[in-house]
Amino acid sequence: KQEVTQIPAALSVPEGENLVLNCSFTDSAIYNLQWFRQDPGKGLTSLLLIQSSQREQTSGRLNASLDKSSGRSTLYIAASQPGDSATYLCAVSPYRKTSYDKVIFGPGTSLSVIP
Amino acid sequence: KAGVTQTPRYLIKTRGQQVTLSCSPISGHRSVSWYQQTPGQGLQFLFEYFSETQRNKGNFPGRFSGRQFSNSRSEMNVSTLELGDSALYLCASSYRGQGTEETQYFGPGTRLLVL
Repeated sequence: KQEVTQIPAALSVPEGENLVLNCSFTDSAIYNLQWFRQDPGKGLTSLLLIQSSQREQTSGRLNASLDKSSGRSTLYIAASQPGDSATYLCAVSPYRKTSYDKVIFGPGTSLSVIP
Repeated sequence: KAGVTQTPRYLIKTRGQQVTLSCSPISGHRSVSWYQQTPGQGLQFLFEYFSETQRNKGNFPGRFSGRQFSNSRSEMNVSTLELGDSALYLCASSYRGQGTEETQYFGPGTRLLVL
C-alpha cells in the first residue's frame, strides 16, 4: 500500500532564505509526483508535475526533484518571500497496468515566511 | 478558460440531513475527482468519474455517492450526515483523469460544517 509522508510538518523561515521540503513515498511504481500549494481554506494549486521518467522540474524560484528508487522528492524554494507562506502538499499517482488507482497525498508541510 | 467551480462554497447542516455538492470542471475535461480534506486525515480520495461512469472509489462508506452528467458536471451526495463529515470537499478535473501523466486542476472547495 502506497504511503506518502512529508517532513517537516511545519517550517518557519526568515524572508530571503532558501529552503527544502521533503516528500517520501513507499512504492516506487508511480506515474508521476506532483507538488501543490494550498492557501488557508482554499483549493489546491498545482506547482510542479514530475513524470516518473524525469529527475526534476523547474518553475521560477521552484525546483522539484524526484528519485524514484529511493522513494523521495524534494521541493526547493529559492529566495523565499512572505507570499510563499502556505501549505505544500506532494501527491503521487500510482502506476498500475490494468487499472487506474487513486492519487495519494502527503499530509503537507506548513510554511511560514517571516518578513 | 474558466477554472473548476464548486457550489456552494459554504454549507451548514445538522446531523442526519443529506447534502449535495456540485462541481463544474474545466471545459473539455471529462474526469472529475472528489476529495475530502480534514485536519486529522488530510486529503483523502473519494471517487473519480469519467464520461459519466465511476471509474475509481476510495475507502468511504456508502453514504457518500456521486454522479456525473453528460456535460461532465458532477455532484456528490452525502446522506445521513455525521459530525465527522465536517470537512473541505474538493473536486479536481482533468482531460483523461487519474492514472495518466496529466495534472489535476482543483476547485476552491466546499466547506461543510455538520452541527
